[in-house]
Parts: sequence; structure tokens; C-alpha cells
Amino acid sequence: EVQLVESGGGLVQPGGSLRLSCAASGFTFSNYWMSWVRQAPGKGLEWVANIKQDESEKYYVDSMKGRFTISRDNAKNSLYLQMNSLRVEDTAVYYCARDLVTLVRGVKNYYGMDVWGQGTTVTVSS
Amino acid sequence: QSVLTQPPSASGTPGQRVTISCSGSRSNIGSNYVKWYHQLPGTAPKLFIYKNNQRSSGVPDRFSGSKSGTSASLAISGLRSEDEADYYCAAWDDSLSGWVFGGGTKLTVL
Repeated sequence: EVQLVESGGGLVQPGGSLRLSCAASGFTFSNYWMSWVRQAPGKGLEWVANIKQDESEKYYVDSMKGRFTISRDNAKNSLYLQMNSLRVEDTAVYYCARDLVTLVRGVKNYYGMDVWGQGTTVTVSS
Repeated sequence: QSVLTQPPSASGTPGQRVTISCSGSRSNIGSNYVKWYHQLPGTAPKLFIYKNNQRSSGVPDRFSGSKSGTSASLAISGLRSEDEADYYCAAWDDSLSGWVFGGGTKLTVL
């Protein structure tokens, strides 16, 4: 069964740090781009970052550049999100997702996120 | 303020056809495939439509997607109570180098 399981969420004070993990199983993790997407309470989906199979490309939403770092360990079938300088507005459920990106004749095609984890909750509060 | 614009709500009675719109720009919808995600309360989103109009496995053919220029839409025909959910459109944005989502549309079956 194709599965993604996030962990590492919790309660943290403003200015603090947290590292989220996502364990992949049931597919060849090293063959896929991966993304983090978050959803604040009662709000819509917000893409956070994604990472290429070999970590040679990483992209972030502007508001999180410099504070969040996405990484992966293909040997451990794991995706990570290091979050620093956390703010109250970072409170959200954080999902990891398999990101279908292909490269054909030098052109990237973005097919979407087809597998999602159940999410891990991050609460930033004093 | 989301980069892609969706109506916050939509509704219909059982059996009706409902359409949800998604408006973007040349750098996102105008240049890349549109996807639609379906989300039930308290659960993770599911990819319903990809490549503008392709249904994911298991998605009923009552759901159809379309794209024209910098806009897209999701149509649901033969509305059923189990279609009540939040629906989000999304596309890669070449200018932002990232995924952008619509704000989501809450579909209510009256």
C-alpha cells in the first residue's frame, strides 16, 4: 500500500523550531519529487515547499524562505521539514505529499500531488 | 489572498449540475495543467482531477474538469449528497516557482 506518514508536530513557542518527518512506503521514494502543504485551522491549502528526487532543486513559498528547509533521505525513504523562527501564523496541519513532476524534452510538467499523508499538527503559541 | 480565485461556496439540489470556477493568470493556469482536490472535514485532500480534465482512479465520471486560457472549472453533474466537500483548484506558477491553490469552494447539497 502506498503510504505517507508524518510525525514531529506539536506545541512550540513563538521563535522556536520544529522538525517534521514524513515516512514513505509502498513506492520507490527516490523516483519522486515531494512536497509539504499546510492548512491553517479553518483555512485553505497552502503549498510550503517541494524537492526534487536528488535534492538538486528545492522551491519554497516566499513567506517561508529562509525559515523553513526541506530535505530528504532516500536511503531512509524519508522527507523532512526543518522549521525555524516559528510564528503564531505557522499554526497548521502540515501534510507531506508525493509530487508528480516529469521532465520531457527539457520541459517540466506538473501533474499534481497524488498521495497525501494524514497530516501532523503544529501549534505555535506562548 | 489566494493566487487562484474560486467562489467560497456553491450549492445545488440532488441531481442538479453545479460548476465551480477557478481564475488565474498566464503564469499559472495559462501555462500549466490545472488540478482539482477534494477534501472532507478532518481528512487529507485527494487529487480528483489532474492534467486539466483527467479523473483520478475511482472518481465518478459525474466529475469533469475543463480549462480555457487562464481559467478553469470543475463541473459536477447528477449532484449527490456525498459530493459535499471542499474543492480546491491548483496549478504550478512559473513566475513564483511554486504551487498555487485557490481559496477553496465549499459545496453544499441542499
